[in-house]
Amino acid sequence: EIVMTQSPATLSVSPGERATLSCRASQSVSSNLAWYQQKPGQAPRLLIYGASTRATGIPARFSGSGSGTEFTLTVSSLQSEDFAVYYCQQYNDWPLTFGGGTKVEIK
Amino acid sequence: EVQLLESGGGLVQPGGSLRLSCAASGFTFSTYDMSWVRQAPGKGLQWVSAMTGSGGGTFYADSVKGRFTISRDNSKNTLYLRMNSLRAEDTALYYCAKVGRSYYFDFWGQGTLVTVSS
Repeated sequence: EIVMTQSPATLSVSPGERATLSCRASQSVSSNLAWYQQKPGQAPRLLIYGASTRATGIPARFSGSGSGTEFTLTVSSLQSEDFAVYYCQQYNDWPLTFGGGTKVEIK
Repeated sequence: EVQLLESGGGLVQPGGSLRLSCAASGFTFSTYDMSWVRQAPGKGLQWVSAMTGSGGGTFYADSVKGRFTISRDNSKNTLYLRMNSLRAEDTALYYCAKVGRSYYFDFWGQGTLVTVSS
């Protein structure tokens, strides 16, 4: 099973600042990596797939990069609605696996 | 507009069974793989099971293999998850998710809560 490790567990950021979230795979997943955002009491929402392609309707301030085992989600200027938990997920191999999540909180 | 509406959750004793349903609309259901993903209270996301659009292929997490069965009725645009031999560790919010062009999840339902407790 491919283990996905996200860091940090919690990220404290001021509104308007940049947030950089990391996701590491225990073995290569090529570019088969997705990012999701989850707010309290809501279902996850797809942000990024293919490591760097924004999903429909996702603002340009969200960007993804990386391939192989190291991936990054960047939010260029955090808005109030961006404070949430973010998960990465690999879909290169079965079983599909998620990272443990990074909570982005207001500093 | 894609909509996924889960139902069937509830309180069940250890060793008991439940069947979850997911009613889909807003897309051609039979042409998309579908999946179940769960989230234990206060925890992260865990993939549970998936099924191809035709129903010919199924995939399971090791933790549920042999106990859970995924199925679909394309005439009713509905995905199911039959859960047997339920354990306390199966307690979670169960989400139905539509698979995108590859095995990421582009749409999610709001979830149905399963609680396994005596």
